[in-house]
Amino acid sequence: GESVGLHLPTLSVQEGDNSIINCAYSNSASDYFIWYKQESGKGPQFIIDIRSNMDKRQGQRVTVLLNKTVKHLSLQIAATQPGDSAVYFCAENMSDNYGQNFVFGPGTRLSVLP
Amino acid sequence: GAVVSQHPSWVICKSGTSVKIECRSLDFQATTMFWYRQFPKQSLMLMATSNEGSKATYEQGVEKDKFLINHASLTLSTLTVTSAHPEDSSFYICSATGQGASQPQHFGDGTRLSIL
Repeated sequence: GESVGLHLPTLSVQEGDNSIINCAYSNSASDYFIWYKQESGKGPQFIIDIRSNMDKRQGQRVTVLLNKTVKHLSLQIAATQPGDSAVYFCAENMSDNYGQNFVFGPGTRLSVLP
Repeated sequence: GAVVSQHPSWVICKSGTSVKIECRSLDFQATTMFWYRQFPKQSLMLMATSNEGSKATYEQGVEKDKFLINHASLTLSTLTVTSAHPEDSSFYICSATGQGASQPQHFGDGTRLSIL
């Protein structure tokens, strides 16, 4: 079946550098995407979302890019800090899928090196 | 806003015990709640979807008699693991969405269940 996947299962970056976490999706009908951050022993935390009518959306130190042509989603974290160390999940959904589940990717572990 | 509270955060109990986990949306009405199971270093595995006032929809392979879900109000859903055994030990996470399309899921902090 269709699924969301990630190119890199682990990512190590130097503190202060920018991080880029990638996600590939295969359901062309998906038009709503979210990035979540999960710290050890906690539930996923909403970071940022984007709808398919947008290519880019910025938050505080984070930017999500959506390339519908190649079905690719990325999360950019500027000036990565130790507190950014976590597992990051992308999730996709169809906006007409009221109350239905999102499909989650396998996750990418981000490790920030001092 | 959009806070989901899950309780308890950690429970250890003997094999054969039934364990109830609560999921509450504190500041919004949750039309739909989801229950996930997560194994170490793995992604979230959806167990069931529940809508207020109706029966939960279980994913394939999830025993509905084993994992009882009740969504009696717009702010509370419960998951009861009946007659739990060591293989049921896991991290269980709930999430909730509000009304309308394109609503993000807001997650609780999970419940670590350890069955001895």
